[in-house]
Amino acid sequence: GAVVSQHPSRVICKSGTSVKIECRSLDFQATTMFWYRQFPKQSLMLMATSNEGSKATYEQGVEKDKFLINHASLTLSTLTVTSAHPEDSSFYICSARAVTEWTSGGVAKNIQYFGAGTRLSVL
Amino acid sequence: GDSVTQMEGPVTLSEEAFLTINCTYTATGYPSLFWYVQYPGEGLQLLLKATKADDKGSNKGFEATYRKETTSFHLEKGSVQVSDSAVYFCALGSTLGRLYFGRGTQLTVWP
Repeated sequence: GAVVSQHPSRVICKSGTSVKIECRSLDFQATTMFWYRQFPKQSLMLMATSNEGSKATYEQGVEKDKFLINHASLTLSTLTVTSAHPEDSSFYICSARAVTEWTSGGVAKNIQYFGAGTRLSVL
Repeated sequence: GDSVTQMEGPVTLSEEAFLTINCTYTATGYPSLFWYVQYPGEGLQLLLKATKADDKGSNKGFEATYRKETTSFHLEKGSVQVSDSAVYFCALGSTLGRLYFGRGTQLTVWP
């Protein structure tokens, strides 16, 4: 089936440092990837939509200079949390949407497949 | 705008009990509807989906029917197992491709 790899799974950093999170679609191409943030016992909040080769579209209230998104290829998007502070501590999840259907591989078109998430803790 | 309202949890059941988690939606156009499951410390996995009215999505014993007349997509399972313990999210997929999630329902199944 469709596999989305997200790395690292957990990161602890000091306040003021930057952290990069990678999201890769392993067996399919994704023109669009999404980045979500999840607070404890709450739902997912869409932060931004990332399209390959173009600038990301950020949701209202999300600082684009703080959360830098790069979607350099059809299989990789990165989220960089710049100058992280304790209030940025959260669970970040990416998803990827397939370009084409691959029935035998368990990949459906226009379905979002999710990574396992990254737990960010800023001290 | 598009939104999803999901039954508040937590839900606690004994093994082999019947499960229902309610989900209703508000949408413009003709959205797709999804149920995702999240196990502790993990991302979301697609459980089932329905793309048009009266479609029934099913997987691993779970079912949900897209009811346009009641704008609902309730999740059901006839006999839950301990391994079904997780958080379940109802989601609406807009025609523009973004997902709108409900708040999630924590399910705990006791042996």
